[in-house]
Amino acid sequence: GEDVEQSLFLSVREGDSSVINCTYTDSSSTYLYWYKQEPGAGLQLLTYIFSNMDMKQDQRLTVLLNKKDKHLSLRIADTQTGDSAIYFCAERTGGTSYGKLTFGQGTILTVHP
Amino acid sequence: NAGVTQTPKFQVLKTGQSMTLQCAQDMNHNSMYWYRQDPGMGLRLIYYSASEGTTDKGEVPNGYNVSRLNKREFSLRLESAAPSQTSVYFCASSGMNTEAFFGQGTRLTVV
Repeated sequence: GEDVEQSLFLSVREGDSSVINCTYTDSSSTYLYWYKQEPGAGLQLLTYIFSNMDMKQDQRLTVLLNKKDKHLSLRIADTQTGDSAIYFCAERTGGTSYGKLTFGQGTILTVHP
Repeated sequence: NAGVTQTPKFQVLKTGQSMTLQCAQDMNHNSMYWYRQDPGMGLRLIYYSASEGTTDKGEVPNGYNVSRLNKREFSLRLESAAPSQTSVYFCASSGMNTEAFFGQGTRLTVV
């Protein structure tokens, strides 16, 4: 079955870049997502990448996809204290059910002033 | 535009009690989902409804039932709550070619 793995913790200084990594097992995944969860809140979609792309950039966010190694990364440039949150990698597994997702464990990003 | 609304936001149950978590969306989405979130395990799919009138099991359906009441509403029922069901529950919805939108969550404690 599908499996998505992430490291659990990342700590960076304000102004540095953050890189959050994710590996997945389902080679048929068409879309891969990054969600952000702030304390006590729901999940907010940050960005996504289609499986035929290698990279996607959206302001401070860069997503890299290595299909051969089934590795996905999210880079946040100029990380701010407001970026402190849990970040989830997810792959879409539900065909036309776009919300049928397999999530990683989540990476807790802590940004120090 | 409220998006996905879940009630209640917090609940404490005693072992063996029953309750229903409510979810409603106002985006005219066809598909709705229930996930549970546990520390270090991410979100896991309990049940989903691809369209009105259909429901299917997800990864962790045991101990739960669902009802797709109409296009807007999708409820999750715990018939006999157990401490292992202590979790944060998220409802989500998605439309044709749109990503999933999540509610704010229900924090459930079973003692």
